[in-house]
Amino acid sequence: DIQMTQFPSSLSASVGDRVTITCRASQDVRDNLGWYQQRPGTAPKRLIYGASSLQSGVPSRFSGSVSGTEFTLTISSLQPEDFATYYCLQYNSYPRTFGQGTKVEIK
Amino acid sequence: VQLVQSGAEVKNPGESLKISCKGSGHRLTSTWIGWVRQMPGKGLEWVAIIYPGDSESRYHPSFQGHVTVSADKSINTAYLQWSSLRASDTAMYYCCVTGVGPVDIWGQGTMVIVSS
Repeated sequence: DIQMTQFPSSLSASVGDRVTITCRASQDVRDNLGWYQQRPGTAPKRLIYGASSLQSGVPSRFSGSVSGTEFTLTISSLQPEDFATYYCLQYNSYPRTFGQGTKVEIK
Repeated sequence: VQLVQSGAEVKNPGESLKISCKGSGHRLTSTWIGWVRQMPGKGLEWVAIIYPGDSESRYHPSFQGHVTVSADKSINTAYLQWSSLRASDTAMYYCCVTGVGPVDIWGQGTMVIVSS
């Protein structure tokens, strides 16, 4: 199975801050990785697919990048509605695997 | 286009259960339907996936043998079932269409509580 190591597990940030979250894959997953946002009590919602493609309707302050097997989600200017938990998911091979999640909290 | 899941369930350990995920405005026969578990206060875990067109399925090894995925393409519905529930199955379960390509659709979740 491919292991997705996500870090940090949590972070505190202020509105307007730039935030980065990283997932490292234990094997090559090509660009078959998505980033998901989950607010409390709601279903996850994908922000980025294909490692760097912005999902339709998602604000442009969200972006994704990849270097080898290390994937990064960047929020360029954190907004109040961005306080949530974020997950990566590799869908290159079975079983699909999620990262452990990063909880973004208000500083 | 949405996935509509069945309602919350409260069961005793050892009981069986089948929860559903119905596609509305989207033909499930031409896409893979995944199931994701989220235990209380915990992260997302990928459970299994099925292609309703031919019922091909894949399971995460942690869930293989304990859950079964199935589909009825005539009513555009996918299922996740247990033959013998455990207390540790208590969780929210989501169905979803997500992966390669721009489509990302999630059901609203089905809460399963297993308690004596």
